[in-house]
Amino acid sequence: SQQGEEDPQALSIQEGENATMNCSYKTSINNLQWYRQNSGRGLVHLILIRSNEREKHSGRLRVTLDTSKKSSSLLITASRAADTASYFCATDTSSNYKLTFGKGTLLTVNP
Amino acid sequence: GAVVSQHPSRVICKSGTSVKIECRSLDFQATTMFWYRQFPKQSLMLMATSNEGSKATYEQGVEKDKFLINHASLTLSTLTVTSAHPEDSSFYICSATGHHLAKNIQYFGAGTRLSVL
Repeated sequence: SQQGEEDPQALSIQEGENATMNCSYKTSINNLQWYRQNSGRGLVHLILIRSNEREKHSGRLRVTLDTSKKSSSLLITASRAADTASYFCATDTSSNYKLTFGKGTLLTVNP
Repeated sequence: GAVVSQHPSRVICKSGTSVKIECRSLDFQATTMFWYRQFPKQSLMLMATSNEGSKATYEQGVEKDKFLINHASLTLSTLTVTSAHPEDSSFYICSATGHHLAKNIQYFGAGTRLSVL
């Protein structure tokens, strides 16, 4: 079953603007991750936030986690055309390292 | 580091034939490999989890006789779509986790687009 649900489904912005994507999930998690997928390609891990963390930064990425609301957000600052991709959140709820992916947000950054 | 190679990237086959997809970890030992299926503009659906030297664990609703998974070594897992039909057309992606890597993070291959005529 789908654990993560991202919104919006699609987001179109201009280069230089910030992009915010949200993810909600239903059950308790060990950690939450964000992955990026370029069209027709595999996924690339971006950032992992543990259930006892509230915020994490990596370069132009900022992730927040609110376990009380079962939600997370991914902020990409100063976006670039090369950031155009689909972004998925993924939750890890068990000890066997299986991930459950959300439906993804398609981000388009216009030059 | 942590590079996963998936081959072929694209395959077109006739209905009724079998297709084998390979997933290799190039610079690490993959203790666990995952196989996903992705429909256009949709999320990844986990098909099965395989650990080296043991039988794959299939997710509910995935036919194990249809999608044969072999994880014979620490660097190679294969997915064979047997007697493929048009409804099997999809994007298949593998991922792996391994020794000395963050256990929770999966490293993905580039995917295989299967088209069954």
